[in-house]
Amino acid sequence: EPEVTQTPSHQVTQMGQEVILRCVPISNHLYFYWYRQILGQKVEFLVSFYNNEISEKSEIFDDQFSVERPDGSNFTLKIRSTKLEDSAMYFCASNPGRGYNEQFFGPGTRLTVL
Amino acid sequence: DQQVKQNSPSLSVQEGRISILNCDYTNSMFDYFLWYKKYPAEGPTFLISISSIKDKNEDGRFTVFLNKSAKHLSLHIVPSQPGDSAVYFCAASSNFGNEKLTFGTGTRL
Repeated sequence: EPEVTQTPSHQVTQMGQEVILRCVPISNHLYFYWYRQILGQKVEFLVSFYNNEISEKSEIFDDQFSVERPDGSNFTLKIRSTKLEDSAMYFCASNPGRGYNEQFFGPGTRLTVL
Repeated sequence: DQQVKQNSPSLSVQEGRISILNCDYTNSMFDYFLWYKKYPAEGPTFLISISSIKDKNEDGRFTVFLNKSAKHLSLHIVPSQPGDSAVYFCAASSNFGNEKLTFGTGTRL
C-alpha cells in the first residue's frame, strides 16, 4: 500500500541553523501539507501546497519557513534560522485531490533544536 | 483557539467492551470530520470519517456518530481490543475539500 515517507526520522540542530525536512508524498496525490506537533500538544497545521504554490498557511508559518516541490516527487519544508521553540514532530501529509477530505500522514521527523 | 475539543485526555476500557471517544467543535463552517489513530513516534493514521450530511458512518468495529445541532461527534469502538491502545485525534475541515485539518488535543485510549 502506498505511503508517505519522511526523512530524516530525527534531526538535531543548533539554534540559528537552517534545516530541511524532506517528504515523498503518495504518488499521484495532488495536495500536500505540513503539520507539526509540539510535545504534549495537538497537531497544528502549518501550510498546504497545490499546483506548485502555497494554497494556505497558518500564522505559525512565518518568513522563516518555506516549502518547495523541487522535482515532482519530493516536498520539502525549510526552516531558515531555527529557534528552540521549533522543536517538534513535523508531519507531512498528502491528499488525492478534489472530492477527498482524507489526508494521509507520514511517520514524522522529530526536530530537536539545541 | 479551541475549535475542536476532546475533553477527555484519557480513557480506560476493558477488552471486549465498548470504547466511546467524544469530540466537540465550535466552528459552524466545519462540514467534514475525521478520526485518526496515533501510536508514539508514528504519524496519524486515518480511521474513519463522516460528512455533515450523515449522522452515522460505520466501518467494521468503528462507528462515528455526528450530532450537527450539538456540534458533537463520537467514535465508538466495539469490541475494544488491546491493539486499539493509542491516542485518538478528532479532526475537522470545511467541505470545500482538500482544506487544512483542525485537530483536537487527543484522547489516550
